[in-house]
Amino acid sequence: NAGVTQTPKFQVLKTGQSMTLQCAQDMNHEYMSWYRQDPGMGLRLIHYSVGAGITDQGEVPNGYNVSRSTTEDFPLRLLSAAPSQTSVYFCASSYTGLAAYEQYFGPGTRLTVT
Amino acid sequence: KQEVTQIPAALSVPEGENLVLNCSFTDSAIYNLQWFRQDPGKGLTSLLLIQSSQREQTSGRLNASLDKSSGRSTLYIAASQPGDSATYLCAFRLSGSARQLTFGSGTQLTVLP
Repeated sequence: NAGVTQTPKFQVLKTGQSMTLQCAQDMNHEYMSWYRQDPGMGLRLIHYSVGAGITDQGEVPNGYNVSRSTTEDFPLRLLSAAPSQTSVYFCASSYTGLAAYEQYFGPGTRLTVT
Repeated sequence: KQEVTQIPAALSVPEGENLVLNCSFTDSAIYNLQWFRQDPGKGLTSLLLIQSSQREQTSGRLNASLDKSSGRSTLYIAASQPGDSATYLCAFRLSGSARQLTFGSGTQLTVLP
């Protein structure tokens, strides 16, 4: 198993540009989520999905969009990048059943918005 | 809103020492908690998962405990090694919003050879 994979590893955007961060998992996990990590603030939940076709907002959803058309993929779209979105983005996945939600994280995407 | 605090923010110890990392939380309605390790520039690796009905979990030199009544969890690392150097994060999942993890900001551990 590759686990949770994310692409790209690094990205530089100009203010106003849009892009999609890719996330995929091969563990047949129902639950997938996106977090951002900023210095001194820990990880904060952006959006999550409990299965194909179902998404919901987390703590900091503004400026981001998600969709879940398959169990494996959960892309995160930045609609119009802003410097405040400079961060490291992590995708995570887990089972939603009695496996007690242990989460597995991808390696992250480091995004800089200038 | 659940607040999660990790103290200290940074810790430096000589190799071979036993050490304890602390994590405190404000809401006792915990579903479970997870301790993670993060190496510089890398993702998070799950170390231990404790259910709310459990008091502790052990894996090798690591032992994590949970005390809901006092709002505390600790991660004990025995016989520390330079390879243990990393940032350690605790994260809680509340009952009722069991899908969302709330993270502390981490303790950066350096083990000196």
